[in-house]
Amino acid sequence: EPEVTQTPSHQVTQMGQEVILRCVPISNHLYFYWYRQILGQKVEFLVSFYNNEISEKSEIFDDQFSVERPDGSNFTLKIRSTKLEDSAMYFCASSFTGQDGQFFGPGTRLTVL
Amino acid sequence: GESVGLHLPTLSVQEGDNSIINCAYSNSASDYFIWYKQESGKGPQFIIDIRSNMDKRQGQRVTVLLNKTVKHLSLQIAATQPGDSAVYFCAENIPGVGTALIFGKGTTLSVSS
Repeated sequence: EPEVTQTPSHQVTQMGQEVILRCVPISNHLYFYWYRQILGQKVEFLVSFYNNEISEKSEIFDDQFSVERPDGSNFTLKIRSTKLEDSAMYFCASSFTGQDGQFFGPGTRLTVL
Repeated sequence: GESVGLHLPTLSVQEGDNSIINCAYSNSASDYFIWYKQESGKGPQFIIDIRSNMDKRQGQRVTVLLNKTVKHLSLQIAATQPGDSAVYFCAENIPGVGTALIFGKGTTLSVSS
């Protein structure tokens, strides 16, 4: 069964450093998403991406964040200058039509020291 | 079985019981809902979805009920098994706002054998 994959599973970085989180969405899906989950809290939407551009973003997704689909399979989230409060699980998700189920990857645990 | 009238953060049941997990959603315009299961250290796993033109939808051992009058969603799990132990989230999509999912507070289901 096709699934969303994410790398790395765990990323530790120093405050102020740049990180890139990588995702490979399900191959025939057209809509891609990043969500985050701070430990013990609910999942929060960050950004959605369709047709090679951002279609919507939340207040969390400020200028420090960017997304890119560098090739036909990868979807990345970059945080330019990490803060302590960026520590969370980051989940990538994909959907075929955007109006159907979103399927999530296993997540990347980001720890900012 | 267990029946929960309001959202509770935890639910403990015996193996073989039926479980009911409740969710109050935020927006009366929401027209698509998904239940996710999240096991410790993993990403949300799609269980079942329902659109607002339906009141009930059944899957394998799971049933989702939608009450639009009171903005309430429930997930029923029949013959609960230890492997069902996880955190369960409901998520909604608001049409016209985009394809982002808004997640509710999770309910931790603990199944003892």
